[in-house]
Amino acid sequence: EIVLTQSPGTLSLSPGERATLSCRASQSVSNTYLGWYQQKPGQAPRLLIYAASRRATGIPDRFSGSGSGTDFTLTISRLEPEDFAVYYCQQYSSSSCTFGQGTKVEIK
Amino acid sequence: EVQLVESGGGLVQPGGSLRLSCVASGFKFSNYWMNWVRQAPGKGLEWVASIKTDGSEKYYVDSVKGRFTISRDNAKNSLYLQMSSLRAEDTAVYYCASNTNGWGQGTMVAVSS
Repeated sequence: EIVLTQSPGTLSLSPGERATLSCRASQSVSNTYLGWYQQKPGQAPRLLIYAASRRATGIPDRFSGSGSGTDFTLTISRLEPEDFAVYYCQQYSSSSCTFGQGTKVEIK
Repeated sequence: EVQLVESGGGLVQPGGSLRLSCVASGFKFSNYWMNWVRQAPGKGLEWVASIKTDGSEKYYVDSVKGRFTISRDNAKNSLYLQMSSLRAEDTAVYYCASNTNGWGQGTMVAVSS
């Protein structure tokens, strides 16, 4: 099973600042099968990025994904008030799927 | 617009059964692998099961193997999860999920006596 480790656990930032979230895999992950999600309290996860760097429909361009192999990054270029939430990375092969433990982006 | 709408959740006693359904719209359902993912109260996300486009391949997390069955009906744009021998630790919100098209709003399953 591929284990995904996200860091930091919590990121305290102010609106307008840049957020950089990391996701490290225990073994190499195909770029095609790496995604990022945003979840707010009481809501379902929202797909932000799939295939490591492709924005899902309707996702603002301040969200970007990058990386390859075992190291992936989600960057929010300038935090808006609605961006404060928990973010999860996900890897999926044909036969299984795992999630990171999440990074909480909170208002400083 | 992509929509995934789950139904079928509820309160069930330990050892009981439940069948979850998900109806998809806004994308070509039959072209995509589909998944069930769950989230226990206050916890992170846990993948439960996946099914290939034509239903010929199915995969499960170890903790539900032999108890849960994923299936689909492409003619009805529908995904299902048959759950049996339910345990307290299966209590969670269950999401119908496409890795590239999005997720539904979830349906709550509570296993308790």
